[in-house]
Amino acid sequence: GEDVEQSLFLSVREGDSSVINCTYTDSSSTYLYWYKQEPGAGLQLLTYIFSNMDMKQDQRLTVLLNKKDKHLSLRIADTQTGDSAIYFCAERGLTGGGNKLTFGTGTQLKVEL
Amino acid sequence: KAGVTQTPRYLIKTRGQQVTLSCSPISGHRSVSWYQQTPGQGLQFLFEYFSETQRNKGNFPGRFSGRQFSNSRSEMNVSTLELGDSALYLCASSPRDRENTEAFFGQGTRLTVV
Repeated sequence: GEDVEQSLFLSVREGDSSVINCTYTDSSSTYLYWYKQEPGAGLQLLTYIFSNMDMKQDQRLTVLLNKKDKHLSLRIADTQTGDSAIYFCAERGLTGGGNKLTFGTGTQLKVEL
Repeated sequence: KAGVTQTPRYLIKTRGQQVTLSCSPISGHRSVSWYQQTPGQGLQFLFEYFSETQRNKGNFPGRFSGRQFSNSRSEMNVSTLELGDSALYLCASSPRDRENTEAFFGQGTRLTVV
């Protein structure tokens, strides 16, 4: 079945780059996503990448995909205190069909001054 | 353009009761998915509705059910509530069928079972 794993915590200093990593098992994954969740809030879609791409850049966000190793990363440049949140990676595969997303456990990003 | 609206935002129910949660997707979106978020199990897929039909179902007991109306609004129902049903229930809205790429989430309904 599908499984998505992430490290639980990451702490960075304001202004540095943050890199959040994710691994997945479903080789049929079509799209991979990054969501942000702030305390008491829902999930905010940050960006996504199609499985036949290896990189996507969107302002301060860079997504890297290594399909061979089933490894996804999110780089946040010039990290700010407002970036402190939990970040979830998710994959949508053909196995489940439709719009079912399988989420990782989430990485809590703490940005320190 | 209004986002995904979930009501109510907070609910407190007693064990054994039943509850209904509502989700209004983004205008024009036809797919609605539901997820349960708990500290122990993380985000888990409950089910997806598209054009009033359940298209996909996660591994939850039959106490969890849902439906979708002709205007794409969706409701989920949990009967015979258990303490373990306490969670944040999130609804996601997607534009079309398999070709769509994005799923937008609402703020969630926080259910507490006492």
